[in-house]
Amino acid sequence: DSGVTQTPKHLITATGQRVTLRCSPRSGDLSVYWYQQSLDQGLQFLIQYYNGEERAKGNILERFSAQQFPDLHSELNLSSLELGDSALYFCASSSGVAAPYEQYFGPGTRLTVT
Amino acid sequence: AQSVAQPEDQVNVAEGNPLTVKCTYSVSGNPYLFWYVQYPNRGLQFLLKYITGDNLVKGSYGFEAEFNKSQTSFHLKKPSALVSDSALYFCAVRDNVGTYKYIFGTGTRLKVLA
Repeated sequence: DSGVTQTPKHLITATGQRVTLRCSPRSGDLSVYWYQQSLDQGLQFLIQYYNGEERAKGNILERFSAQQFPDLHSELNLSSLELGDSALYFCASSSGVAAPYEQYFGPGTRLTVT
Repeated sequence: AQSVAQPEDQVNVAEGNPLTVKCTYSVSGNPYLFWYVQYPNRGLQFLLKYITGDNLVKGSYGFEAEFNKSQTSFHLKKPSALVSDSALYFCAVRDNVGTYKYIFGTGTRLKVLA
C-alpha cells in the first residue's frame, strides 16, 4: 500500500459528460502528479501541483483541469468526455518538487466512456 | 526536449537466468533516472533511481540498474529472474534544469518463464 488513495476505483459514463477524480496524497507529501495510462500511449504525464500551486504541465487537454486544495488532496476534472478518454488515471505524490524524489502511485481510477 | 525510450515491448527470460530491460534517454543537462514496476491492476511501484555518483544503482527486490552516460542508457538488471518478477516495467527521466516534468517510457512487459 503506497499511502496514496484514489476514488472512485471505476467510473463508467457517457460521451459528453463531466467527471471528477479524487486523489489524497501520502501523509506529508506536498506534490501531486496526474497521469493517464492508455493501451496505445503508455503513461502520459498530465499535470503536477505542489502545495496548491501548479508546477508543471504535460499533455493535458483543455477539456481537463485539476486543482490541489489546502488539505493537499487533488481533483482532476474531465469534461466533454470522448471515447478516447477511456483510460486508467493515476495520481502520484512525492515529498517535494525540486529534488528528484520518487513518486508513490495510487491504485488508479479506471474511466470507461461509452 | 527530454525523452525516454524502451526499445522492447516484451522481454522473455527463463527463471533463474539474468534479465535486462533496456532504457535510453535524452535530456538537457544531467539526468535523474528512475525505474518503476507495475503489477496487474496495481499502480506503479518505485524500484530505484539514479541521481549522481556510482553508476551502478541497487534497488528493491534484487534489481539494479547501470547508468551509462556515453550511451545515454539506464538498463535494469537482475542476476537471477523469478516468475514473480513478471510485470510491466517503466523507465522514467527528469531533467535537472527546473521543468519538474517526469517523462515515462512506454513500458516493457517482462515475462519470466518457469
